[in-house]
Amino acid sequence: DAKTTQPPSMDCAEGRAANLPCNHSTISGNEYVYWYRQIHSQGPQYIIHGLKNNETNEMASLIITEDRKSSTLILPHATLRDTAVYYCIARNQAGTALIFGKGTTLSVSS
Amino acid sequence: GAVVSQHPSWVICKSGTSVKIECRSLDFQATTMFWYRQFPKQSLMLMATSNEGSKATYEQGVEKDKFLINHASLTLSTLTVTSAHPEDSSFYICSAPRPAGLAGEQFFGPGTRLTVL
Repeated sequence: DAKTTQPPSMDCAEGRAANLPCNHSTISGNEYVYWYRQIHSQGPQYIIHGLKNNETNEMASLIITEDRKSSTLILPHATLRDTAVYYCIARNQAGTALIFGKGTTLSVSS
Repeated sequence: GAVVSQHPSWVICKSGTSVKIECRSLDFQATTMFWYRQFPKQSLMLMATSNEGSKATYEQGVEKDKFLINHASLTLSTLTVTSAHPEDSSFYICSAPRPAGLAGEQFFGPGTRLTVL
């Protein structure tokens, strides 16, 4: 799996958009970008994933640059419940284990 | 949607005893499950891959005789921490791949907090 780099922490005001960046400059053509989050003392939760095109679901949007070397997870209207550690993972679609980096700790405040 | 459960959610035990943690896929079959360990303020570390009907595959540095994994059915994997010591106190999390035919995200259990006194 390609190495990913994320800022260790970010702050966001409640109601504002949270934009979490991820660098994956060595990603290969068949590797997807996955985003998970972990709220304190819970198991990780799947958010979204993508290969080339931008993706959107009920939780978030994923913007992947044209060269696929970086991506941004967007939480359009952050709430206090979005406070969590967000993990960006690049991997192929095989059913292998996810390898977690250190992630970004997002703190949403009122 | 697909759910993975773990039992117990927390356990406290004395040093030297063994503790069994169960991981179940509730509405789908999982021939493979993964076990992770997470220490405070750290990320998840993959411990082993549990394979239904065969031996588990352990990551480097994980003692297979200490962390016994059994995947006896398509919906159940167990992790037994044998002769537990305080340094084994951690948050243990299992996961299972999403059923075939859908995108490759994984489902995680809620975790089991183990405290060894």
